[in-house]
Amino acid sequence: DTGVSQNPRHKITKRGQNVTFRCDPISEHNRLYWYRQTLGQGPEFLTYFQNEAQLEKSRLLSDRFSAERPKGSFSTLEIQRTEQGDSAMYLCASSMGLAADTQYFGPGTRLTVL
Amino acid sequence: AQSVTQLGSHVSVSEGALVLLRCNYSSSVPPYLFWYVQYPNQGLQLLLKYTSAATLVKGINGFEAEFKKSETSFHLTKPSAHMSDAAEYFCAALSNFGNEKLTFGTGTRLTIIP
Repeated sequence: DTGVSQNPRHKITKRGQNVTFRCDPISEHNRLYWYRQTLGQGPEFLTYFQNEAQLEKSRLLSDRFSAERPKGSFSTLEIQRTEQGDSAMYLCASSMGLAADTQYFGPGTRLTVL
Repeated sequence: AQSVTQLGSHVSVSEGALVLLRCNYSSSVPPYLFWYVQYPNQGLQLLLKYTSAATLVKGINGFEAEFKKSETSFHLTKPSAHMSDAAEYFCAALSNFGNEKLTFGTGTRLTIIP
């Protein structure tokens, strides 16, 4: 069990640029979640996948955000035309998908938009 | 909508003293409840979870939490604080109606005084 991994760990970009983050879940986990955490706040849910199907999206996920999990394994989160307000820690988690199952979190990708 | 309230954004205790971190949830139907710990520049690690079995839940690193329905609370305790307990602690709730997103509190930063 290598845990959930996320790349890159840090990303600095200029306003208006596009960025893409990757998450590799624990191998046997079929659910994958994305959360966003801003300074001084708890993580906020963005979206989640059951295998390759995206089942729920938060209102926080504007049209500039898109997430994919093409083969039900790794996932990518893309932000287009980044804004300074997008600066945050983006956390990925995975779980087996059973009721009340533990979500295991990766180390996160810290995005800074200049 | 589900909400989680953590009283006290910062808590300081002396090494060896009791740790008490407070968490209250708002739901007419008790949700599943979780405590996570986050060390600097790391992801969230599960300490313990309540899934409607025993109301007193024991977790890792000597932490435990008691679910009290009458008080809608799930406070986290540890009898004797250790320097390594210094971190940020998040309480989270998961609806038992099939909604898979965790709702987090705003976190409590625990400082241990030598």
